[in-house]
Amino acid sequence: QVQLVESGGGVVQPGRSLRLSCAASGFTFSRHAIHWVRQAPGKGLEWVAVMSYDGGNIYYADSVKGRFTISRDNPKNTLYLQLNSLRGEDSAVYYCARDCLQVAVTARFDYWGQGTLVTVSS
Amino acid sequence: QSVLTQPPSASGTPGQRVTISCSGSSSNIGSNTVNWYQQLPGTAPKLLIYSNNKRPSGVPDRFSGSKSGTSASLAISGLQSEDEAHYYCAAWDDSLKGVLFGGGTKLTVL
Repeated sequence: QVQLVESGGGVVQPGRSLRLSCAASGFTFSRHAIHWVRQAPGKGLEWVAVMSYDGGNIYYADSVKGRFTISRDNPKNTLYLQLNSLRGEDSAVYYCARDCLQVAVTARFDYWGQGTLVTVSS
Repeated sequence: QSVLTQPPSASGTPGQRVTISCSGSSSNIGSNTVNWYQQLPGTAPKLLIYSNNKRPSGVPDRFSGSKSGTSASLAISGLQSEDEAHYYCAAWDDSLKGVLFGGGTKLTVL
């Protein structure tokens, strides 16, 4: 069955860095775009970034552009999110989510991970 | 990043029909399909409606979606206590080159 498992969250000081991972299984990872979506405590969903199935298309939310970097290793079935210059407002549960359609980038996410919590605090 | 506009809350009694609106613009809802997500407390979101009005396998037909112009709606008929959750609309935005989520609607079953 399709599974997405995030890891790498934790407590980090403002200005520091963190790398999140999303390990995928149960489907052909190299044929799907994968997104990062975050949710601050008690708040709504905020889309963060997406990388297309082949890495050819990458898009970021304005709030993270220039600070976060998304990447993927298709042979390892893993998506990454490098978080640099972290701020308090980056504190959130970070989910990875599979784009439903193959070889496309949409807003249709059919599988989500359980999330990993990032807390930015001094 | 701007958001799609949803009412922050909605409510109904068991058996009632409730609707949740989602308002956008020509660059998102007006030119792309709308998807709806249900998030139960303490869990990851779940795809509820896709491509404006289609239900994934396993989603009861009590849930339906529609879209007109730059707005969309989610309707839940025969309201049940287990429907109490947050609901989010989402659409791709051609101008921003990214996904927009609505602010979310907390549905309370009275």
